[in-house]
Amino acid sequence: NAGVTQTPKFQVLKTGQSMTLQCAQDMNHEYMSWYRQDPGMGLRLIHYSVGAGITDQGEVPNGYNVSRSTTEDFPLRLLSAAPSQTSVYFCASSYGTSYNEQFFGPGTRLTVL
Amino acid sequence: AQSVTQPDIHITVSEGASLELRCNYSYGATPYLFWYVQSPGQGLQLLLKYFSGDTLVQGIKGFEAEFKRSQSSFNLRKPSVHWSDAAEYFCAVGPYSSASKIIFGSGTRLSIRP
Repeated sequence: NAGVTQTPKFQVLKTGQSMTLQCAQDMNHEYMSWYRQDPGMGLRLIHYSVGAGITDQGEVPNGYNVSRSTTEDFPLRLLSAAPSQTSVYFCASSYGTSYNEQFFGPGTRLTVL
Repeated sequence: AQSVTQPDIHITVSEGASLELRCNYSYGATPYLFWYVQSPGQGLQLLLKYFSGDTLVQGIKGFEAEFKRSQSSFNLRKPSVHWSDAAEYFCAVGPYSSASKIIFGSGTRLSIRP
């Protein structure tokens, strides 16, 4: 099993550009989530999904979109990148809910100039 | 709203010494509590979790945590640290009413002195 994979590992964008961060898991987990990690602030939940076709907002959803067309994939879209979105982004998945062990991907480091 | 506080930003301990990382939560009822560890350049890994029952919880890598309702705390402990324990540690809390969201603390970075 590859576990949770994320691409790309690093990305530099200019303000206003759009992009999609990819996340995939091969463990047949129902729950998937996106977090951003900023220094001194821990991880903050952006969006999550409890199954294919179902998504919901977390703490900091503004500026981000998600979709869940399959159980395996949960892409995160930045519609118009802003410097405030410079961060490290983690995707995670778990059986059922976030209260079961979440398995995290290796992260994507995004810089917006 | 629930919140979680990790008062120590950075702790340094000597290899072989004992460790205690502090975590306090704010929530009206007993929440679900977690400790995750992040090694440098990696994603997070679950160390242990508490839902109910015995207030002393054993986890992986020799870690344990104790839930103290009266102090709203869930401190992480290890009797003897190893150099490989150097990492960032995150406490997290989840409300009983929603199993879809957990709130992470800001983290404590642990350094090990040889």
